[in-house]
Amino acid sequence: DSGVTQTPKHLITATGQRVTLRCSPRSGDLSVYWYQQSLDQGLQFLIQYYNGEERAKGNILERFSAQQFPDLHSELNLSSLELGDSALYFCASSEAGTGRDTQYFGPGTRLTVL
Amino acid sequence: GNSVTQMEGPVTLSEEAFLTINCTYTATGYPSLFWYVQYPGEGLQLLLKATKADDKGSNKGFEATYRKETTSFHLEKGSVQVSDSAVYFCALSSNTGKLIFGQGTTLQVKP
Repeated sequence: DSGVTQTPKHLITATGQRVTLRCSPRSGDLSVYWYQQSLDQGLQFLIQYYNGEERAKGNILERFSAQQFPDLHSELNLSSLELGDSALYFCASSEAGTGRDTQYFGPGTRLTVL
Repeated sequence: GNSVTQMEGPVTLSEEAFLTINCTYTATGYPSLFWYVQYPGEGLQLLLKATKADDKGSNKGFEATYRKETTSFHLEKGSVQVSDSAVYFCALSSNTGKLIFGQGTTLQVKP
């Protein structure tokens, strides 16, 4: 158990819909990362937050947005969903959000768009 | 830009065989390097890491050495077990910590 929790574990929805994925980091970790894992794209970094502020952005679509709240949990919002958004979404957390940190991954949310 | 290339899988070995999974990287600066493992139906777990050149990371019998001259971080284990069957990901981190992953290598160990 990494100490990072993600909810829900599975999500099935239809095209055009909007969903919210939630992540609680390990106790004491200030930085949260979101990654997408799909068969064709592999593991891709989406976005990073540190203590409530956006720190780095990757290949995140404009239809996707995220935030980190004062209690440090984070939410990833996916809207106008398309079939191609079906993937496993991982959240990770680290202590200081630097390159030397170890990132601890949650179990993931499997999103299926029908 | 930064990138990671891993040997293609799947890799199939018999129990107690020697394992090598090759990983090379392209990066500016001095990234940290990681190996993560993903067991079926689970998230990623850190296997080992190295934060500077010539560092050796090790854990559970797995080892990898950060080679700046060859830009490599190959994963090795002297004697694999069936329980090592999983997908292995090599990754490097940027200054902010975002991870760039290789495509993953599936290892299957047969008894």
